[in-house]
Amino acid sequence: SQQGEEDPQALSIQEGENATMNCSYKTSINNLQWYRQNSGRGLVHLILIRSNEREKHSGRLRVTLDTSKKSSSLLITASRAADTASYFCVPNPGGGADGLTFGKGTHLIIQP
Amino acid sequence: GAGVSQSPRYKVAKRGQDVALRCDPISGHVSLFWYQQALGQGPEFLTYFQNEAQLDKSGLPSDRFFAERPEGSVSTLKIQRTQQEDSAVYLCASSGRGQGRGNSPLHFGNGTRLTVT
Repeated sequence: SQQGEEDPQALSIQEGENATMNCSYKTSINNLQWYRQNSGRGLVHLILIRSNEREKHSGRLRVTLDTSKKSSSLLITASRAADTASYFCVPNPGGGADGLTFGKGTHLIIQP
Repeated sequence: GAGVSQSPRYKVAKRGQDVALRCDPISGHVSLFWYQQALGQGPEFLTYFQNEAQLDKSGLPSDRFFAERPEGSVSTLKIQRTQQEDSAVYLCASSGRGQGRGNSPLHFGNGTRLTVT
């Protein structure tokens, strides 16, 4: 199975600042997904970016994908206290045989 | 309901007891996944169903763990003879379309927190 490795493991910023999290993976993918998990809750899907896409936006979120470097980034602009959560990237190699393995995530803390 | 529902929300079991955790996926969702999440860690894959067929159970940690989805909707994860290391949050997720695992977003329930004493 393939899992993404998120970096940094922990990030603390002031409210209103931008937060950037990175993800690296090892083999070719069909798509890559980002999820958020607030403390004590289930995971929430944020964005799915396909291997032929380079950038995708959703509200204050911007995801980039560089398949040549096998990396992705998640940018959260104008952070809010509610953005405090763990963020996970999930590379999907496709083919139905494998995938959907989570790493340890990036724990983001937004300071008021 | 609109989302994935898991019950119970919390479960305390004495070591050696059997437990059964239930997952109600989003209606019509073909794919169903179980994950185990230890404190401070990411979710670890346990097993995957497409309709009633269990296509992947490679993540089940031992033969004490058993999952079923007999009618292709509700799923039950059963743990026999629970041990302390089984203490974790058990998450269920479903996805639609059935185009192949990972090709559509996962919708997660809030999980069942199992504590084995």
